[in-house]
Amino acid sequence: EVQLVESGGGLVQPGGSLRLSCVASGFSFSNYAMSWVRLAPGKGLEWVSSLSGGGSTTYHTDSLKGRFTISRDNSKNTLYLQMNSLRAEDTALYYCAKGGDDYIWGSYRPFDYWGQGTLVTVSS
Amino acid sequence: DIQMTQSPSSLSASVGDRVTVTCRASQSISNYLNWFQQKPGKAPKLLISATSTLQSGVPSRFSGRRSGTGFTDFTFTISSLQPEDFATYYCQQSYSVPFTFGGGTKVE
Repeated sequence: EVQLVESGGGLVQPGGSLRLSCVASGFSFSNYAMSWVRLAPGKGLEWVSSLSGGGSTTYHTDSLKGRFTISRDNSKNTLYLQMNSLRAEDTALYYCAKGGDDYIWGSYRPFDYWGQGTLVTVSS
Repeated sequence: DIQMTQSPSSLSASVGDRVTVTCRASQSISNYLNWFQQKPGKAPKLLISATSTLQSGVPSRFSGRRSGTGFTDFTFTISSLQPEDFATYYCQQSYSVPFTFGGGTKVE
């Protein structure tokens, strides 16, 4: 059974940093692309970033590029999201999602399983 | 960026009703269209990928198709609404990065 467990969220002041983690189990982690997707209060789902299975290819939504960095440690079955210079509009529930393939662009199913999410609140 | 316009944003339905949601892409996305279900406090669940492929374990009352002659208009249908189907549904295109979602349809 695929399981994705996020952690690392919390309350942070504007301008601060957080690192989210997602521990995966139930599948061969290094063989699949992974992504972060967020859900802000009162808004819809927003894709944040994706990383190929081997970690060689990354994509970010342009508005977040430079502040957020996705990475993975395949030896620990863990996906990360380093978030810097946080703003109030980054307040959201952040989900980790498994892809259906090793690659990202061209995949029919970039998000086939999701974790329960970790809440990030940016406020002074 | 490809914009995904989903309608309606909410609908009221009863058990047994046929429910239809539409999703329009701002440009052709071939059949790279997925549908998700999200219940309050739960993770999104992939129901349909590649426009019409039902995921394993998903009931057959859920279906998706392309509507019209182009590759921009898509339809999601619940043939007979069940109590456990009250949720928010999202379309999402995986044709190109940035991946984008529709605004959601709340079925209540």
